[in-house]
Amino acid sequence: GEQVEQRPPHLSVREGDSAVITCTYTDPNSYYFFWYKQEPGASLQLLMKVFSSTEINEGQGFTVLLNKKDKRLSLNLTAAHPGDSAAYFCAVSGGGNYKYVFGAGTRLKVIA
Amino acid sequence: DAGVTQTPRHEVAEKGQTIILKCEPVSGHNDLFWYRQTKIQGLELLSYFRSKSLMEDGGAFKDRFKAEMLNSSFSTLKIQPTEPKDSAVYLCASSRQFSNERLFFGHGTKLSVL
Repeated sequence: GEQVEQRPPHLSVREGDSAVITCTYTDPNSYYFFWYKQEPGASLQLLMKVFSSTEINEGQGFTVLLNKKDKRLSLNLTAAHPGDSAAYFCAVSGGGNYKYVFGAGTRLKVIA
Repeated sequence: DAGVTQTPRHEVAEKGQTIILKCEPVSGHNDLFWYRQTKIQGLELLSYFRSKSLMEDGGAFKDRFKAEMLNSSFSTLKIQPTEPKDSAVYLCASSRQFSNERLFFGHGTKLSVL
């Protein structure tokens, strides 16, 4: 079945720096990709949903890149600020089976 | 407002006890998921329901974990008997249609087993 590896597990950056989180997946039939953000003590909230047809997806203060050839999904936070400090999870679905598989998460800390 | 309601927010149990966690999905959602969240393992799928039918029953979690969905607006997760290694946050999530829809998560139940 699908396996999703997320790196790094922990990331600490200074305010204004960029932060990059990467997920690699195994099922080439996976079609839907998600990034969720979980602030301390809060539930997971959707950051962005990506379809396999779109390689570059821009949000507010971040960019999501999808490389289907390498089966890699990345979240790039540009000019990180302390409010970005949270856990981030990628999720992959729609592949050969129905499973919605999460990465293990990245705990990001942005230092002011 | 998370949209998915989980109760209780915190649960403390002694080893060997039976505990029941509750979840109310977003109204109108057909898919419901139970996950266990730990820092080491991340999010592990425990159970998945589609239109109240159990589609996935957690593999390694089958022996002591039992999820039920008696109606479309309520689900329970029973852990019996509890063990200290069950200490984790249990998350419930729902969606309209699996695979291409986002999940709406509850705030979770933090379980501590002594």
